[in-house]
Formats: sequence, C-alpha cells, structure tokens
Amino acid sequence: SQQGEEDPQALSIQEGENATMNCSYKTSINNLQWYRQNSGRGLVHLILIRSNEREKHSGRLRVTLDTSKKSSSLLITASRAADTASYFCATESQGGSEKLVFGKGTKLTVNP
Amino acid sequence: DAGVIQSPRHEVTEMGQEVTLRCKPISGHNSLFWYRQTMMRGLELLIYFNNNVPIDDSGMPEDRFSAKMPNASFSTLKIQPSEPRDSAVYFCASSFRGGRNEQFFGPGTRLTVL
Repeated sequence: SQQGEEDPQALSIQEGENATMNCSYKTSINNLQWYRQNSGRGLVHLILIRSNEREKHSGRLRVTLDTSKKSSSLLITASRAADTASYFCATESQGGSEKLVFGKGTKLTVNP
Repeated sequence: DAGVIQSPRHEVTEMGQEVTLRCKPISGHNSLFWYRQTMMRGLELLIYFNNNVPIDDSGMPEDRFSAKMPNASFSTLKIQPSEPRDSAVYFCASSFRGGRNEQFFGPGTRLTVL
C-alpha cells in the first residue's frame, strides 16, 4: 500500500506564483525524498530530507519535515512553465531496508 | 554516464506471450529496483536487488512474474504468460546503498498486452 499521500492531487497556477505540495505518511522514517516526473519520462530525484532535519533548500525548492505530524511539504518558488510535472514524495522506513514507498503524486500545471 | 538504460521502450504483445524487460543500471551502483506504474495503483515496487541478490520480492504480483540479476550490469523482468492487466509502465532504478540512497530511474518500458 502507498505510504506517502500527496495533497493536492492536482494544482494549477500561473508562472511566477509559488506552488506548495504536501505529503503525509504513516510509519517512522529514515528519510523522505521528493521526485519529479515529466510526462512519459522516468522519475528524477529532487531533494532528500533526513528524519533529524526540519528544513532543506535547493535552489527554488524548499522542503520541510514534521516528524511529529508525519508530514512534509515541498515549496517551489517563482514557478516556471518548465516546472509542469508530477511530484512524488517517497519515504524510506526505519529498519535498514532501502525500499522507497511512493505516494500517488501531485500533478502541477504552471500556466505561462 | 548514460544513466539507467531500459529496453525496449515500448512493447505491444498479445495475451499469453512471454515478455522480457531489460535494465542496465548505472555503473558502480549496487542496488537495483523494478517498479510498475499505473493510473489506478500509482508506482509500486515489484522487487529489488542488492549486490545482485534479491532482497525483497514481496511486490511481485504472482508467479507469472520473475526477475533476475545475473551480474552487476544487467537485470531482466520476465512476465510469462502475460495478461492484459499487466499493461503498465515498468521502471528500473538503481542506487548506491551506503550513499544518499537516492534512486536514479530509467526512462521506462511501456507495456501493452492485448
């Protein structure tokens, strides 16, 4: 079963606006990762945040993690049309397994 | 590096036929993952290998599915016999266990079983 659940399922914004996507999960984790998938392509890793971190930045991306609420958010600032894609969170559970469990994703459309 | 390579990119076959999907991971990576993606079920992990050894195959749907990794640079996922409900995009991904554990995905194989 899917552990990560993204919210919203779909998001449509104008270029220049910020986009925020949320992810909730159920079990204790080692880390949480965000991936991006363009239509018809494989997933691309964006950013990883460890369970002992609360916030991380990479370029226009900002990720937060709240382990007490078992939730994470991905913020894309100053969005561009090229950011149009589906975004997935993936969790690596504690216990030594390197399995990632992916959510069903948020489909982001950035209108020019 | 060419990234993860998958072949074929598209496969159309008839129900009952054997299908073999191939994957070449990134050189130096020691973990390999096979996923299936559908609209209904999202991205599901089928099986993963570490150092060519299957570690977790709990996601393999049934005995019709099998996967092998004979060496560090090649893996196959076989479906025999194929059924229409196997239609999906199959992704292979690789990573280096002991590093950041981020996974690098191939472009996928779009399988259609008629």
